Amino acid sequence: SQELEQSPQSLIVQEGKNLTINCTSSKTLYGLYWYKQKYGEGLIFLMMLQKGGEEKSHEKITAKLDEKKQQSSLHITASQPSHAGIYLCGAGPQYNNNDMRFGAGTRLTVKP
Amino acid sequence: DAGVTQSPTHLIKTRGQHVTLRCSPISGHKSVSWYQQVLGQGPQFIFQYYEKEERGRGNFPDRFSARQFPNYSSELNVNALLLGDSALYLCASSRRDGINSPLHFGNGTRLTVT
Repeated sequence: SQELEQSPQSLIVQEGKNLTINCTSSKTLYGLYWYKQKYGEGLIFLMMLQKGGEEKSHEKITAKLDEKKQQSSLHITASQPSHAGIYLCGAGPQYNNNDMRFGAGTRLTVKP
Repeated sequence: DAGVTQSPTHLIKTRGQHVTLRCSPISGHKSVSWYQQVLGQGPQFIFQYYEKEERGRGNFPDRFSARQFPNYSSELNVNALLLGDSALYLCASSRRDGINSPLHFGNGTRLTVT
C-alpha cells in the first residue's frame, strides 16, 4: 500500500497568484493521479502521470512527477476562484490502480 | 455521456440497521470500485470489481459486502451499521483493470448513522 503525504494541508491565496501543492510517497510510485474535489462532492480527475520527469498541463494547471524523489507537484498559474477546492493525489500498486491510496488533500481557497 | 451515477445522494440510518448503496458506471466501463471518505481525509479503498468478479478488498470488516451485476452496475451493502460508518461513500469506474486507466468518480452517497 502507498502512503501519500500532501503539503500544505491548506492554502489561502489571492486571486491571480501562483501556487504549488506537493505530494510525497513513502513507497515506489508506479503512477500518480491528481484529483480535485468540491466539498461533499465526488472527485474530478485532473491528470495522470506515469513516467519519471513527466509533465502535463491542463489550462492553468501543471503537474510534474519526480520518480527518483517519489514526489509530484501541482502548480496553478494565475489562480482564480474557480480553482478553489480540495486537491488530492492518488497512487496505486504496481499493476492495478483501482486499489488507489490517496493523500489527505490540500484545501485551496482563492480570495477575489 | 452520463458520468458515474450513485443513489441515493443522502441517507440517514440508525445503528444496527443495514444499508444498500447503488452505482452505475460510465457506459463502457467494466471496473467499479468503492471508497469510503471520512471528513478531512482522503478516500479509503473498500472493494474493486471487474467483470463481475471481486479483484480487491480493502481493510474493512465483513459487515461490508458488494457485488457487480451483468450490466456492470454495483451495490455496496453494509450490515449492523455503526456510528463510525458515517461517511461519504464514493463509487468509481474505469474502462479496464490496470494502471493506465484513471478512476472516474460519482458524487457519492452521504451516509449518516445516528
